[in-house]
Amino acid sequence: AQKVTQAQTEISVVEKEDVTLDCVYETRDTTYYLFWYKQPPSGELVFLIRRNSFDEQNEISGRYSWNFQKSTSSFNFTITASQVVDSAVYFCALSDNTGNQFYFGTGTSLTVIP
Amino acid sequence: GAVVSQHPSWVICKSGTSVKIECRSLDFQATTMFWYRQFPKQSLMLMATSNEGSKATYEQGVEKDKFLINHASLTLSTLTVTSAHPEDSSFYICSAPRTGLNSPLHFGNGTRLTVT
Repeated sequence: AQKVTQAQTEISVVEKEDVTLDCVYETRDTTYYLFWYKQPPSGELVFLIRRNSFDEQNEISGRYSWNFQKSTSSFNFTITASQVVDSAVYFCALSDNTGNQFYFGTGTSLTVIP
Repeated sequence: GAVVSQHPSWVICKSGTSVKIECRSLDFQATTMFWYRQFPKQSLMLMATSNEGSKATYEQGVEKDKFLINHASLTLSTLTVTSAHPEDSSFYICSAPRTGLNSPLHFGNGTRLTVT
């Protein structure tokens, strides 16, 4: 069965601090995709990153970085020098090998305090 | 810009009435679309898979007679909440994959339904 666990329900950090959002997944598929989405208060889902199961290379995009570890089935997301605009709910998601059907984690609500 | 358009963004309706939500793929054809439901401060739960030209596939526990899905064209899927009740109040969001283009699943901006 597919499952995504985001153990951190809510996190608060002071602006400019670094913060890591954890994501652990379960799947029996050998080919799968992992995603991170940001959901600001307005509700829309903003795509941040997609990673396939064969690409364990970590990625950095500006202040965002992702650490994919197949050995621990984790796909953690770090925001460096957090800003107030980073305040949102962040969802980690897993999809099957078609990349279509998603299984979302319960989300982590991040509040960046100015 | 947005590649999946969802309308309306929000709707308030009275108990017992029906509400239709539209999901359109703007510049691509989508033979499959997905409908999710999100309760406040909770995750997105897949409700059903909408298939163009055939019946939708519903997830366990989702009432197909209450949540009618129609995927009449390659760019439009509709979700109709029939005989809405206050417990149907939720955030509904659709998504459409652009298969073959190595791009992520695109989500609509969601519809916030409030049933009074």
